[in-house]
Parts: sequence; C-alpha cells; structure tokens
Amino acid sequence: SQKIEQNSEALNIQEGKTATLTCNYTNYSPAYLQWYRQDPGRGPVFLLLIRENEKEKRKERLKVTFDTTLKQSLFHITASQPADSATYLCALGTGGFKTIFGAGTRLFVKA
Amino acid sequence: DAGVIQSPRHEVTEMGQEVTLRCKPISGHDYLFWYRQTMMRGLELLIYFNNNVPIDDSGMPEDRFSAKMPNASFSTLKIQPSEPRDSAVYFCASSLSWGRLRNEQFFGPGTRLTVL
Repeated sequence: SQKIEQNSEALNIQEGKTATLTCNYTNYSPAYLQWYRQDPGRGPVFLLLIRENEKEKRKERLKVTFDTTLKQSLFHITASQPADSATYLCALGTGGFKTIFGAGTRLFVKA
Repeated sequence: DAGVIQSPRHEVTEMGQEVTLRCKPISGHDYLFWYRQTMMRGLELLIYFNNNVPIDDSGMPEDRFSAKMPNASFSTLKIQPSEPRDSAVYFCASSLSWGRLRNEQFFGPGTRLTVL
C-alpha cells in the first residue's frame, strides 16, 4: 500500500543546532516533493519544493535532499531558533498535480 | 494579493444541517484544492480543480460532500446532511501549473467546522 511516513514523535533540539526531519514513502513515484510549515490554528505555508531530478535544494537556513532510490527526503534547518518551532509537513506531488501529505513532525527548539 | 480567502472561519452547526464553505483562490492561479485536516487522519486531499474543472474527487468521503467551482475566483464545498464526524478544519489552497512558482500551494486560513 502507499504510505508517507514522517517522524511521529516530536523533535526537541537546542537553539543553534541543526534540526533534521525525515520523510519516507513507499509505492509512490513522485514528480516532486514539498515541505510546508504549519503553526497552530493556521494553514500550511510552503517552504521548499524539490523535483525528482534534483538531489538538493537550499533556501537560507533550509536545505532539503531527495533520494528517489531510498524513497526518502531529509529536511534540515541549520542554526535553529525558537521561532522555528512548528509542525513540518512533507507532501508528494504525484501525476496530475495530486498532492499527498504526510502526518507531519512537530519541532520544538529550546532557547 | 490578499492570498487565499476562506469563509466562514468558524462554523458550528447541528447534525443534519447543510454546510457551505467558500473559497476565493489567488488571482491567476489555475489549480484549486480542498483539504480536510483532523488529528486522526492528518491533511487529506478531498478534491481539486484545474481551470474550474474537477480533476480528481476520489478523496471526497461520501455523496454527502460536493464541490463546485463556477468561475476562476470562487469555489464551494458543501456537506448535506452534516454529521458529527465531519468536524474538522477544511482548507482551500491554490497554485499555478506554470512558471518558476508552479506547484507551490498557497493555503487559506481554514474553516473550523464543528457539527454537534
């Protein structure tokens, strides 16, 4: 069956450290993969998109990798700050613009 | 642009009543998505449109749910009759199919629906 798995447990890290979040999938062949941030009571906010022919993408303190052989994406936040505390969702873009979201990982950055 | 606009922001209704959720996508976007989010099931895609035409409604849970997009600037999601298990936050999102920003989805603030 098709599955998208993100760390189900919350991730707690110290300010200044690098946070690494994982997204694994099975039985999908995504054309692209996206990462979103969601704060309580708000809609998801787009962060990064990486296409199937790309290995890595960066945006300021954010970095995402995409390994279609391992069927995995890693999302890194370097020099993390308390303001980075939120839930992070990965989403697979399949054929025809259909988007499937993972359950999300909660990140807590302690000062 | 004001972003994706949804109304109402909160809706409380009684079981059996009809509920209509509204969405105005970002001007110029040609894709519109309706999602439902619950603690148990996460963010689920219900239906999406391209140029006002429904493309995939396989996520619509039952015949009680229907969605329309009469023009490029307006869409509705209707539940009739509503049931307590429909209680969730419903999000609308829009995106472009072309250009540098293609596939990036912009979400509205959501409608929190409570069915008593």
